[in-house]
Amino acid sequence: KAGVTQTPRYLIKTRGQQVTLSCSPISGHRSVSWYQQTPGQGLQFLFEYFSETQRNKGNFPGRFSGRQFSNSRSEMNVSTLELGDSALYLCASSMTGEGNTEAFFGQGTRLTVV
Amino acid sequence: AQRVTQPEKLLSVFKGAPVELKCNYSYSGSPELFWYVQYSRQRLQLLLRHISRESIKGFTADLNKGETSFHLKKPFAQEEDSAMYYCALRRSGGYQKVTFGTGTKLQVIP
Repeated sequence: KAGVTQTPRYLIKTRGQQVTLSCSPISGHRSVSWYQQTPGQGLQFLFEYFSETQRNKGNFPGRFSGRQFSNSRSEMNVSTLELGDSALYLCASSMTGEGNTEAFFGQGTRLTVV
Repeated sequence: AQRVTQPEKLLSVFKGAPVELKCNYSYSGSPELFWYVQYSRQRLQLLLRHISRESIKGFTADLNKGETSFHLKKPFAQEEDSAMYYCALRRSGGYQKVTFGTGTKLQVIP
């Protein structure tokens, strides 16, 4: 079956702009989580959606937001971009997002803010 | 709040040598622990989870609640084991976010 798909793979944006990233989970998966990956900080949790509802949220400013659609596809939006937002943004999907269920990761969107 | 610590950024071992990637966590309850691996130019993927008590690609990890550790071990390293390894924790009970460590790069020297 198809894996988690993230689009676009690469983005270059200017400070102050906004950006929207997309994630299509594995068919049947209802939980989608987003992470920011940087060399120094590793993977930091942004938020998790399940059945169109945000269930968990990390410690990121309000400029970072997301949503999930009825088909479980999810989008992440970052407004008023800052240089420090440059990172690899990973999306992960799982059946339920509970217990010891496995999370399947996408290849990520590499965002560069100049 | 839970925290996962991987003290080594880089671990270099020779092929055939034993490997131990350290992971310590802080959480007072019963955690669910995972090891994820990212090979070069591939996506992050699950290696193993403590609940399964399995051995994957020769790797094992034992949960030590007394020491709050979940170290990843392999008796004989192979070149193809070179990758980034991330330890991760989810609190038990319902849906909880997964917290990742900062990762350890394993370099197996031929």
